[in-house]
Amino acid sequence: SQQGEEDPQALSIQEGENATMNCSYKTSINNLQWYRQNSGRGLVHLILIRSNEREKHSGRLRVTLDTSKKSSSLLITASRAADTASYFCATRPQAGTALIFGKGTTLSVSS
Amino acid sequence: DTEVTQTPKHLVMGMTNKKSLKCEQHMGHRAMYWYKQKAKKPPELMFVYSYEKLSINESVPSRFSPECPNSSLLNLHLHALQPEDSALYLCASSQVLEYGNQPQHFGDGTRLSIL
Repeated sequence: SQQGEEDPQALSIQEGENATMNCSYKTSINNLQWYRQNSGRGLVHLILIRSNEREKHSGRLRVTLDTSKKSSSLLITASRAADTASYFCATRPQAGTALIFGKGTTLSVSS
Repeated sequence: DTEVTQTPKHLVMGMTNKKSLKCEQHMGHRAMYWYKQKAKKPPELMFVYSYEKLSINESVPSRFSPECPNSSLLNLHLHALQPEDSALYLCASSQVLEYGNQPQHFGDGTRLSIL
């Protein structure tokens, strides 16, 4: 079953621009995670934000979480061609359950 | 390089064949997962093992049979698959299932094609 919905489904930008992806979910969560998947590869964990946190940073990544709206956003600043990938949000409704992935956003960064 | 190793990387099999996918991790993780991913879709959870015991089975058809021989290894035995089973099969692991605030580590998957 899917819990998250990413928006937009696809995003094309130029190198150096910022990319923003949004994720909405349906049920209460323990935490929300963002993953990146390069073509033909597995998923790589980017960042985890707990339900009691509102914002988190990691390098060029900034994640926000609004539990009242059941939504999260991922901002990638100063994008690079190497950021070209699919990005998935994933929620864990509670401890002891597995991650549920959203549909994903495909990001293309051109040089 | 990923810390979760999956073999083979590619597999082509007929509908009457029996084959197995293998997954190995040496991070001391006690939760291991199988996902199925179709093109341009998110991963779909199939099975979860916690401390070598099957903890979650997402109503997967019996032609897929998981096995966890020890804490480092996870197998997925395949028999009498259908063409719609063609997909990327991903293995993942995490420290323990009960602690929610952990990332999952993924292998690069096995690309399975059913003829």
